[in-house]
Amino acid sequence: GNSVTQMEGPVTLSEEAFLTINCTYTATGYPSLFWYVQYPGEGLQLLLKATKADDKGSNKGFEATYRKETTSFHLEKGSVQVSDSAVYFCALTSNSGNTPLVFGKGTRLSVIA
Amino acid sequence: KAGVTQTPRYLIKTRGQQVTLSCSPISGHRSVSWYQQTPGQGLQFLFEYFSETQRNKGNFPGRFSGRQFSNSRSEMNVSTLELGDSALYLCASSQSQTGTGELFFGEGSRLTVL
Repeated sequence: GNSVTQMEGPVTLSEEAFLTINCTYTATGYPSLFWYVQYPGEGLQLLLKATKADDKGSNKGFEATYRKETTSFHLEKGSVQVSDSAVYFCALTSNSGNTPLVFGKGTRLSVIA
Repeated sequence: KAGVTQTPRYLIKTRGQQVTLSCSPISGHRSVSWYQQTPGQGLQFLFEYFSETQRNKGNFPGRFSGRQFSNSRSEMNVSTLELGDSALYLCASSQSQTGTGELFFGEGSRLTVL
């Protein structure tokens, strides 16, 4: 079945550091890939998405590229801010039919000033 | 436009009791999905409803059930509560059936079972 594996957290970075959160997936067919973010005390929000191989999703300075050859969708940001502190979830859904969104276990990011 | 609203936000129950959680989706959204979030297991899919019909169901025991009303509002019920049911229950809505992946989440209902 479909599954998503994320790097274990927590990740602690200083402000303006470079961020990478690794995400790999297993899926049949050609899935769509997503990053969701959960700020403290809130529900999840869609951060970015990519629906086909080599697509790059981007939003709020975050980027992720859909790499079919390595089945990966790593999240990157060039310069993190304290306000980026949150839990980040990689997720996928299959394009082949009506299947629910499958999430990774999440990676907690703490950015210190 | 109002977001997804979940009630209650917090509740405490004892083992053996039952609980009902409510979710009001964004206006115009016909699909509602429910997820259980725990520190150990992360986000696990419970079920999805679209136009009052259950479209998908996750791997949870029959104690977990749900329904959707004609106005798209949804409820989930957990009967005979166990300690392991303590979790944050998240509801998400979307305009169409799951498959696009663009879900809008509520803030969740945090259930503590004592």
